[in-house]
Amino acid sequence: EAQVTQNPRYLITVTGKKLTVTCSQNMNHEYMSWYRQDPGLGLRQIYYSMNVEVTDKGDVPEGYKVSRKEKRNFPLILESPSPNQTSLYFCASSFTFVRGGDGYTFGSGTRLTVV
Amino acid sequence: QKEVEQNSGPLSVPEGAIASLNCTYSDRGSQSFFWYRQYSGKSPELIMFIYSNGDKEDGRFTAQLNKASQYVSLLIRDSQPSDSATYLCAVAKNSGGYQKVTFGTGTKLQVIP
Repeated sequence: EAQVTQNPRYLITVTGKKLTVTCSQNMNHEYMSWYRQDPGLGLRQIYYSMNVEVTDKGDVPEGYKVSRKEKRNFPLILESPSPNQTSLYFCASSFTFVRGGDGYTFGSGTRLTVV
Repeated sequence: QKEVEQNSGPLSVPEGAIASLNCTYSDRGSQSFFWYRQYSGKSPELIMFIYSNGDKEDGRFTAQLNKASQYVSLLIRDSQPSDSATYLCAVAKNSGGYQKVTFGTGTKLQVIP
């Protein structure tokens, strides 16, 4: 089954304790992205990657890191989480968005609470 | 001005009616337009995409694009209670070698049985 697998689904952590949210896709997509979703603010892009070893900042990158060492995996790293990073996080992948492309496939989401 | 604007709703329609969801965007260079459905606590799922002016139909769903007026809409015919969800509009364009996608904040649809 074609899918984006994101883990964990729920995570409660304490301020300053490093954590990693994993994301893996089995569709051979080149484009992967991380979003956070907050009430009233919608989906905001954190980081994206156009291919292996190619990553760049989105609209809200502060406090986050990513890596793309393999095409299928795109982990999100919070080196020192703070309460304002409490949010619902989505990983998404796509072949392309240009004409003929079919947009994102989203992972099931990670609800992160930082206390 | 937000890049992609949607009325947050809720939009309430009776079962069997047509639901009309609207989205406006500010960047005239936008090339691709998507509608996603998101149930509460779940991830967004793609309903439709459209690239050319006019209408595109898929079952009970019709996407309409008007690039001159910079709006895209989604019509849901014969609305069902299971259509109750938040609908996200997304707009994409090539920007500096990558594909920038911007989402609206979504319109909450309630279909009343």
